Amino acid sequence: DTAVSQTPKYLVTQMGNDKSIKCEQNLGHDTMYWYKQDSKKFLKIMFSYNNKELIINETVPNRFSPKSPDKAHLNLHINSLELGDSAVYFCASSQRDMMNTEAFFGQGTRLTVV
Amino acid sequence: QKEVEQDPGPLSVPEGAIVSLNCTYSNSAFQYFMWYRQYSRKGPELLMYTYSSGNKEDGRFTAQVDKSSKYISLFIRDSQPSDSATYLCAMSANNDYKLSFGAGTTVTVRA
Repeated sequence: DTAVSQTPKYLVTQMGNDKSIKCEQNLGHDTMYWYKQDSKKFLKIMFSYNNKELIINETVPNRFSPKSPDKAHLNLHINSLELGDSAVYFCASSQRDMMNTEAFFGQGTRLTVV
Repeated sequence: QKEVEQDPGPLSVPEGAIVSLNCTYSNSAFQYFMWYRQYSRKGPELLMYTYSSGNKEDGRFTAQVDKSSKYISLFIRDSQPSDSATYLCAMSANNDYKLSFGAGTTVTVRA
């Protein structure tokens, strides 16, 4: 009964391809996120959604398009993959009550573009 | 200058030692402070969560927040080899829909 699950765990693909990463949370949270972790382990926000509405788009290229069909799911589609997109992508969720902003993370999707 | 600064280490200590980790930040609007632990090839897991200034203790872990100095700390007492991981500080402001992370400190506890 994983709280935040994302698939696939590993993704190796060629430059120029289009790929998707899926994320689901069973915590009943109303906010979901995509973070990117680079080779130096630095975690940076990409997108956040609250009740299926896009709240944050942190200067991410248009090739990245998130989609939230419902509060429990947030998928990430990437077009025309580039070498620089290689990283670990983490999905996370939280409940946006006052005083309660800690996020719970999935296990990550390790994307390698060759 | 990054919004959150954290010494990436690495930090190597003998088993039983006290591990001291810290972060500084520049955004005075930050009110929520967290420490995450990340094992190799795993997702970050929440260790400690603190609102505003003060101390919080949970078992061998103590988190401290000093908003006047814009400085937060995590102490691990009686460190164990199983504590070997990367520790990430994270923080956010009211009405923030994101966490701002430090770069993470890699800790190795030697048996």
